[in-house]
Amino acid sequence: LAKTTQPISMDSYEGQEVNITCSHNNIATNDYITWYQQFPSQGPRFIIQGYKTKVTNEVASLFIPADRKSSTLSLPRVSLSDTAVYYCLVGDIRGSTLGRLYFGRGTQLTVWP
Amino acid sequence: EPEVTQTPSHQVTQMGQEVILRCVPISNHLYFYWYRQILGQKVEFLVSFYNNEISEKSEIFDDQFSVERPDGSNFTLKIRSTKLEDSAMYFCASTGTPGEAFFGQGTRLTVV
Repeated sequence: LAKTTQPISMDSYEGQEVNITCSHNNIATNDYITWYQQFPSQGPRFIIQGYKTKVTNEVASLFIPADRKSSTLSLPRVSLSDTAVYYCLVGDIRGSTLGRLYFGRGTQLTVWP
Repeated sequence: EPEVTQTPSHQVTQMGQEVILRCVPISNHLYFYWYRQILGQKVEFLVSFYNNEISEKSEIFDDQFSVERPDGSNFTLKIRSTKLEDSAMYFCASTGTPGEAFFGQGTRLTVV
């Protein structure tokens, strides 16, 4: 299982772009990278998932370099409501551990007015 | 947007009592899970369930825990004899697409 390292906390202001980087040096060939968001007292919410290069959806973009040893979640023009904990998860989602998610400590993003 | 619903939102129980936490997964999902999060700590995997049987469980999921899908819509987690350390938020989740889990809002279990 690939270990992930991400900053414990980040601060930003409304309207700015936020980039949260996750390191996963021992990522395996079959591993995917998935990001979740969690608000206090709520369940995690899926944001985005990717294998390589760039993935974009209506919420965020995920940048994965060619060596796949890191990934960056990009949140465009954050608002106060984006204040949450963001988790980077790496694993073989299609293997025998289908669905089992390993959550680390995540990154507490605080957006200020 | 489809959602996973959990009841109750908050349950207080005395140590040693049995509790049943209920979940209604998204209707066309086939994989169901329970996770828990002790206050201030990580989200921890408890158990996964597929095709009416447990497919994987963690070391936390001991003999005091059981899961059941009593009908076509509900998915339950039973804790047979609660301990103080069972106090946590319990999240149910379901998946259709691998890796994209939908979580419920959770049940806050307080054991006194």
